[in-house]
Amino acid sequence: LAKTTQPISMDSYEGQEVNITCSHNNIATNDYITWYQQFPSQGPRFIIQGYKTKVTNEVASLFIPADRKSSTLSLPRVSLSDTAVYYCLVGANTGFQKLVFGTGTRLLVSP
Amino acid sequence: GAGVSQSPSNKVTEKGKDVELRCDPISGHTALYWYRQSLGQGLEFLIYFQGNSAPDKSGLPSDRFSAERTGGSVSTLTIQRTQQEDSAVYLCASSLAGTSGLTDTQYFGPGTRLTVL
Repeated sequence: LAKTTQPISMDSYEGQEVNITCSHNNIATNDYITWYQQFPSQGPRFIIQGYKTKVTNEVASLFIPADRKSSTLSLPRVSLSDTAVYYCLVGANTGFQKLVFGTGTRLLVSP
Repeated sequence: GAGVSQSPSNKVTEKGKDVELRCDPISGHTALYWYRQSLGQGLEFLIYFQGNSAPDKSGLPSDRFSAERTGGSVSTLTIQRTQQEDSAVYLCASSLAGTSGLTDTQYFGPGTRLTVL
């Protein structure tokens, strides 16, 4: 899987929008970008996946520029319960995926 | 519906003992994965099962680690002669892997926290 780089940590306050950017300069043509969320003492949870432009679901939005060398996970109006570690992964979305998680971005949301 | 379940949730053992960790994947998911997560670290891939194919064992750290999947469903990860460095959270995931064109999302269980004293 393509290597990704993301900030180690971010701080925010309730009600704010949070944008977490991930760099993946060597992304391959058939690679997708996937974000997972992990709470303490729980397994990672799939948030969103995209290939290009913008994807939105009930949880988040994913912005991917034309060159696809980076992506931004956007969490609208965060709450305390959004405090978690967020992982960005890049790889093919079909068949076997040996997911390679980095250390992720630790988001802390304060009152 | 029911998600991926794992048991036990916590396991404390003494160095040198064998342990078995169990994973029940989501019904109908053909692919099953085991990962290990040490404190403050990302996930480390261990082994992958897909249907009746031979498992991909490329991530197993030593021959003390083994896993099996019976009937294409439940999986057991066995660690023999445990060492202190085996202490970690062991996570299992399952997916509908193998179908072209479909998003292959992995769904994770809550993990088993293993502590080797």
